[in-house]
Amino acid sequence: NAGVTQTPKFRILKIGQSMTLQCAQDMNHNYMYWYRQDPGMGLKLIYYSVGAGITDKGEVPNGYNVSRSTTEYFPLRLELAAPSQTSVYFCASSYSRVPGQGAARGYTFGSGTRLTVV
Amino acid sequence: KQEVTQIPAALSVPEGENLVLNCSFTDSAIYNLQWFRQDPGKGLTSLLLIQSSQREQTSGRLNASLDKSSGRSTLYIAASQPGDSATYLCAVYSTQGGSEKLVFGKGTKLTVNP
Repeated sequence: NAGVTQTPKFRILKIGQSMTLQCAQDMNHNYMYWYRQDPGMGLKLIYYSVGAGITDKGEVPNGYNVSRSTTEYFPLRLELAAPSQTSVYFCASSYSRVPGQGAARGYTFGSGTRLTVV
Repeated sequence: KQEVTQIPAALSVPEGENLVLNCSFTDSAIYNLQWFRQDPGKGLTSLLLIQSSQREQTSGRLNASLDKSSGRSTLYIAASQPGDSATYLCAVYSTQGGSEKLVFGKGTKLTVNP
């Protein structure tokens, strides 16, 4: 099925370890996003990308890095895992024909990665 | 800074009841507003998307309205069913600090009792 695919679904990390959360979309969406969701806190934007080779910080970027070498993939890197990064991470994508005019077709979310740092 | 508030935080109703979920946002300069559904341990499923120029959208038993000038949206669910039990999230898409962002409310957790 077309959509946003995230891997892994679950992961436990030790403090100081690093990992990459994978995200792929096959809808030819130009925009891609990474959010984290903490209980009772809603979703917070970590990083986003408006196209291949272009990334920008969101609301809570510290401790994370991203890259966007192709339209399809938008991996999120955690370099030195900390307990504060325990969360559920969602990748999303959208299409905006004219940047600045919003995503006319709405947003598609992946099923999430549940990360625990111990 | 755009802030999105959803009221109530939780709602429990008997099956068959019609209900309204509320969403408010502080900055009316939005491109669109989207309602999502999230089941426990799952991702977000888009329900309805309302562009800033629209007043409402309908899909089956769901109807979402948008009053951009007052910064409000409502999601109306008709004839609720136990399968409607989930958390409903409202999100607005707007430009902030020179960048485009989707800002979420914290959600309304709906329980429909058989």
